Amino acid sequence: AQKVTQAQTEISVVEKEDVTLDCVYETRDTTYYLFWYKQPPSGELVFLIRRNSFDEQNEISGRYSWNFQKSTSSFNFTITASQVVDSAVYFCALSDPRNRDDKIIFGKGTRLHILP
Amino acid sequence: DTGVSQDPRHKITKRGQNVTFRCDPISEHNRLYWYRQTLGQGPEFLTYFQNEAQLEKSRLLSDRFSAERPKGSFSTLEIQRTEQGDSAMYLCASSLAPGQGADEQYFGPGTRLTVT
Repeated sequence: AQKVTQAQTEISVVEKEDVTLDCVYETRDTTYYLFWYKQPPSGELVFLIRRNSFDEQNEISGRYSWNFQKSTSSFNFTITASQVVDSAVYFCALSDPRNRDDKIIFGKGTRLHILP
Repeated sequence: DTGVSQDPRHKITKRGQNVTFRCDPISEHNRLYWYRQTLGQGPEFLTYFQNEAQLEKSRLLSDRFSAERPKGSFSTLEIQRTEQGDSAMYLCASSLAPGQGADEQYFGPGTRLTVT
């Protein structure tokens, strides 16, 4: 069975601090996708990144970076120099692209508060 | 606005009433998904369509739930005889089918249902 665990329910940091959101996943598949989505107070899920299981290179996009380690089944997300606008719930997720439905399995999310 | 849209954004109904939600996907997307998100949880897959065909339904989708996508464009999700446990955010997402290009799922703003 596939499962995503985000152990941090809620995190608060002061603006400009760096923060890392943890994600651990479980799957028996060798081919899978990992995702991060952001859900601001408005409720809409905003796609941040999708990573293929065969690509373990870390990725950086502006203040965002992702660390994918298959050895520990982790796909952690770091925000550098956090800003108040980063306050949101962040979801890590998993899917198997070989499944016809391509449905996404989400973790429970981490609520991030950036304090001014 | 070329994103996924949902209507209504909020719905309050009394237990036992029927409700219907609408989702308009991104125009060129042939896949459409419905997810449900309860408080403090990540979204959970309900069902999906490829064009007008409903290809999978989760066991979460009881007999009181029905979804349609009659012309392969917009979709409706109806809940009959609502129960308090149906209170949740109902999210719609759309994507291209795998192999047709960038097939990430893009989410709408959701419909928040409150059953009193």
